[in-house]
Amino acid sequence: AQSVTQPDIHITVSEGASLELRCNYSYGATPYLFWYVQSPGQGLQLLLKYFSGDTLVQGIKGFEAEFKRSQSSFNLRKPSVHWSDAAEYFCAVNRGSTLGRLYFGRGTQLTVWP
Amino acid sequence: KAGVTQTPRYLIKTRGQQVTLSCSPISGHRSVSWYQQTPGQGLQFLFEYFSETQRNKGNFPGRFSGRQFSNSRSEMNVSTLELGDSALYLCASSYDRADTQYFGPGTRLTVL
Repeated sequence: AQSVTQPDIHITVSEGASLELRCNYSYGATPYLFWYVQSPGQGLQLLLKYFSGDTLVQGIKGFEAEFKRSQSSFNLRKPSVHWSDAAEYFCAVNRGSTLGRLYFGRGTQLTVWP
Repeated sequence: KAGVTQTPRYLIKTRGQQVTLSCSPISGHRSVSWYQQTPGQGLQFLFEYFSETQRNKGNFPGRFSGRQFSNSRSEMNVSTLELGDSALYLCASSYDRADTQYFGPGTRLTVL
């Protein structure tokens, strides 16, 4: 069974529009949660992370994410998208029972129209 | 601090050959994890090393192996290459096993 779900394979938005990328996980306990971004031919860059505490976390490049325990979700948001945000976005979790191992969603490809 | 470095960046091999990929973690990081990324399977975990010991292993055949040295640098080896091993191999390092993983640029392996 898929542990991390990103339901949107591809999203297209206009530059300046708001963005929300969805992520759900299927674990009983709260895992550590991450969002990474990958540009073509590159490695993964960390955008933000949630370990504990405030459920709204701020990241780099103007991104934020909100952890909702009741929905097992960790959605990524940005109020105004820039053309340079076009990339693939991955949600990942680190379960307490399998430290050192990240479980990834299948990714969401973001296209930004000028 | 320098980031995670991986060498080589690109490799072309033929079926049946073997290959060794190298990963140098961020200075001070003790955990190194390896992932395989393909269009069909996405990002899949290969293995994780901490203090020179393999702590976690993904669901890959025994042809995939790795090791970690005392300076935390890590290598992974793939023997008897198959066409399906063509992928981007990503290495990530973290200070501790539960800590944030930082990724290198990857090694693009093409098997002909």
